[in-house]
Amino acid sequence: GAGVSQTPSNKVTEKGKYVELRCDPISGHTALYWYRQSLGQGPEFLIYFQGTGAADDSGLPNDRFFAVRPEGSVSTLKIQRTERGDSAVYLCASSLNGIFYNEQFFGPGTRLTVL
Amino acid sequence: AQSVTQPDIHITVSEGASLELRCNYSYGATPYLFWYVQSPGQGLQLLLKYFSGDTLVQGIKGFEAEFKRSQSSFNLRKPSVHWSDAAEYFCAVGGVGGGSYIPTFGRGTSLIVHP
Repeated sequence: GAGVSQTPSNKVTEKGKYVELRCDPISGHTALYWYRQSLGQGPEFLIYFQGTGAADDSGLPNDRFFAVRPEGSVSTLKIQRTERGDSAVYLCASSLNGIFYNEQFFGPGTRLTVL
Repeated sequence: AQSVTQPDIHITVSEGASLELRCNYSYGATPYLFWYVQSPGQGLQLLLKYFSGDTLVQGIKGFEAEFKRSQSSFNLRKPSVHWSDAAEYFCAVGGVGGGSYIPTFGRGTSLIVHP
């Protein structure tokens, strides 16, 4: 079946603007994860959803970042008042049910550039 | 706090040569360890994982890794590299948050394959 998809693939915005990044997980996967990957670095965890609820949001850097998953499928990562330091690739992953031994499947990412 | 060190930013090998990518981790308990590969424009793909049991783990694409607790290492190996193996490789150590594992990634090792 289809893998994890993310839209848009690229997003360029100006400092101070609001952006939304979308993730479509694999159908039937209840667990969804957001990561941020800065240039030359590995992915950094942002938030984990189990169903509709955020089970762990300890990686969100500040209150400008927010994510939702209202129906337990598609998720949106929202960034308010963007800053140049927010420029990165934002990765989404999903797994069957979040149990630790189940593989996370990653999407191709959204490259966010804040000018 | 858990952490991962990948000491080599770049590794260059000739096609057909053997490969070893180094990974050292820090974790307070028995770790969950992973290797992922990221090709340009592609999402991260899981190569292999270690949770318990046999310390030599076989993965996809002919890769293997060995968990050495005494050295806090989880090095990735392949006996004969193919040009298509050129990519970014990430080691990750897993903790437990919200009932799922939340991996901490290393900064990655870029593999360059010469013909």
